[in-house]
Amino acid sequence: QKEVEQNSGPLSVPEGAIASLNCTYSDRVSQSFFWYRQYSGKSPELIMSIYSNGDKEDGRFTAQLNKASQYVSLLIRDSQPSDSATYLCAVKGGEGNMLTFGGGTRLMVKP
Amino acid sequence: EAGVAQSPRYKIIEKRQSVAFWCNPISGHATLYWYQQILGQGPKLLIQFQNNGVVDDSQLPKDRFSAERLKGVDSTLKIQPAKLEDSAVYLCASSLELAATDTQYFGPGTRLTVL
Repeated sequence: QKEVEQNSGPLSVPEGAIASLNCTYSDRVSQSFFWYRQYSGKSPELIMSIYSNGDKEDGRFTAQLNKASQYVSLLIRDSQPSDSATYLCAVKGGEGNMLTFGGGTRLMVKP
Repeated sequence: EAGVAQSPRYKIIEKRQSVAFWCNPISGHATLYWYQQILGQGPKLLIQFQNNGVVDDSQLPKDRFSAERLKGVDSTLKIQPAKLEDSAVYLCASSLELAATDTQYFGPGTRLTVL
């Protein structure tokens, strides 16, 4: 059974700081890694995807992947109150190519 | 481009009743997914379709849940009879194909409350 683990939080950071969100996964054959943002009462929205080891930057967001350690992270620079949401890590690959989600980390950015 | 459509948005039923949810994926997307998201948890995949064929339904409680995608476009998910623990948001998602890099796009979800 594929597992994706995240700290549920809440993670509280001041406005303008860097928020660091972490995720570990159990299935070594996983190929694709996604970060979704979910505002309260809304559906998940894709913000980043990463497929190879290293860093991938998109605006204020940086995804980091380390397949040897089975670890993926998301950094949010210059955090804004509008970034306050639950961030879901999702992993895909292996048998059936199913997308497996972690439980999510709730981020609170305080003005 | 229109997103994934779902209806109804909210449904309240009593236990042992039946309920059905409808999903229309993004035009041209061959793969459709149904997820269950219980409050405070991440979405859990119930079933995925490739066109009108089932790819994976290993986590679908088949004694009470059923799903179909007869013409390879719209899909319905049914619960009969409902239990209290079925209270959750049911999310439909679609993607172009089944490739590992294909992005899944989610609909707004149907919030089910079972009393």
